[in-house]
Amino acid sequence: GIQVEQSPPDLILQEGANSTLRCNFSDSVNNLQWFHQNPWGQLINLFYIPSGTKQNGRLSATTVATERYSLLYISSSQTTDSGVYFCAVPREAGGTSYGKLTFGQGTILTVHP
Amino acid sequence: KAGVTQTPRYLIKTRGQQVTLSCSPISGHRSVSWYQQTPGQGLQFLFEYFSETQRNKGNFPGRFSGRQFSNSRSEMNVSTLELGDSALYLCASGLGHSTDTQYFGPGTRLTVL
Repeated sequence: GIQVEQSPPDLILQEGANSTLRCNFSDSVNNLQWFHQNPWGQLINLFYIPSGTKQNGRLSATTVATERYSLLYISSSQTTDSGVYFCAVPREAGGTSYGKLTFGQGTILTVHP
Repeated sequence: KAGVTQTPRYLIKTRGQQVTLSCSPISGHRSVSWYQQTPGQGLQFLFEYFSETQRNKGNFPGRFSGRQFSNSRSEMNVSTLELGDSALYLCASGLGHSTDTQYFGPGTRLTVL
């Protein structure tokens, strides 16, 4: 199956700082999602981004499919951004991994006031 | 549109018991996937159902089973509980295509004593 690696594993920031989270994957994908897991455990959708660039407020994401990586940018971080950020791709290449995602190990982000 | 709902939110069981968790997908979604999240193993795919049929299965023992009803609601069952089954169980819903955005519920936190 497709392997996913996220970096860095941990990130500590002061409020207002910017950050970049990276997701590398081992094969071509037709689906890539970024999630934020809040302190209560729920996974919140941030981006569906198999290729290209998207922006949503202070967050933006870029996926370079040909080089098999995706980046999540957080600008002007706030304490409410704290939590774990995951990227996820289909478990296998080939388009048959219905609902079957492989997750990276996540980046734990802590934003201090 | 209501999001994905899961019941119960918290559950405490003892070893050897069995448990049933429920997931109601977003209205109109026909695919439901289940994931187990533990500190050691991260997020792992259990199985996916579409139109009452299991389409994909992860690498879990047969004690883990599921089903989907005609209204797309899904249940998962774990029999003969072990201490290692303590985890956050998350379900996700989607339209059923390989390029779907998956939307997650709040999870059920299971503790096995």
